[in-house]
Amino acid sequence: GQQLNQSPQSMFIQEGEDVSMNCTSSSIFNTWLWYKQDPGEGPVLLIALYKAGELTSNGRLTAQFGITRKDSFLNISASIPSDVGIYFCAGQLRTSGSRLTFGEGTQLTVNP
Amino acid sequence: DTAVSQTPKYLVTQMGNDKSIKCEQNLGHDTMYWYKQDSKKFLKIMFSYNNKELIINETVPNRFSPKSPDKAHLNLHINSLELGDSAVYFCASSLLGTGTNEKLFFGSGTQLSVL
Repeated sequence: GQQLNQSPQSMFIQEGEDVSMNCTSSSIFNTWLWYKQDPGEGPVLLIALYKAGELTSNGRLTAQFGITRKDSFLNISASIPSDVGIYFCAGQLRTSGSRLTFGEGTQLTVNP
Repeated sequence: DTAVSQTPKYLVTQMGNDKSIKCEQNLGHDTMYWYKQDSKKFLKIMFSYNNKELIINETVPNRFSPKSPDKAHLNLHINSLELGDSAVYFCASSLLGTGTNEKLFFGSGTQLSVL
């Protein structure tokens, strides 16, 4: 099936640092979503992107829908300990209906 | 108020047993889903129902049977549980399920452990 390549797999950073992660695909997506999952919880939607080139912010988070529609990135500025968790990108192909394809996740650890 | 709620949170059972997981959403959404998260945290869709009608059925063993009594509920019944069924199962919902500008909202998961 369709794969999303998400990188990096894991990141270990100091509090206050900025973080960047991205997802790429060989197929064109019409929607990109970024989720965060805390331990023992379900994924929580952070940012939704619907147009190529779209740049959207949510507090310290910023995400962009790539111009080619095959990639997206998520930036976190001035990280804090509660940013710890697994971040997932997810995309919807135009032809896949409501089916979301998820990336493999980026495990973020923030050291105080 | 919990938007998407699923029960139980934890389910420990013996191989061969039959078990059910229940899910309810109070968002007024038309579409509900079951996702499976494996030990490597990979999320994969299993089923999707739109207004009680099955619209997505991935390659899932027929021991797994979803049931949607109404559009606010989607339950998952699993027969003859196997060791490989151990995973976290997430229920989710979205407004329309048309694939256009959709956002999925997830429950907090059911950790299934088959011994």
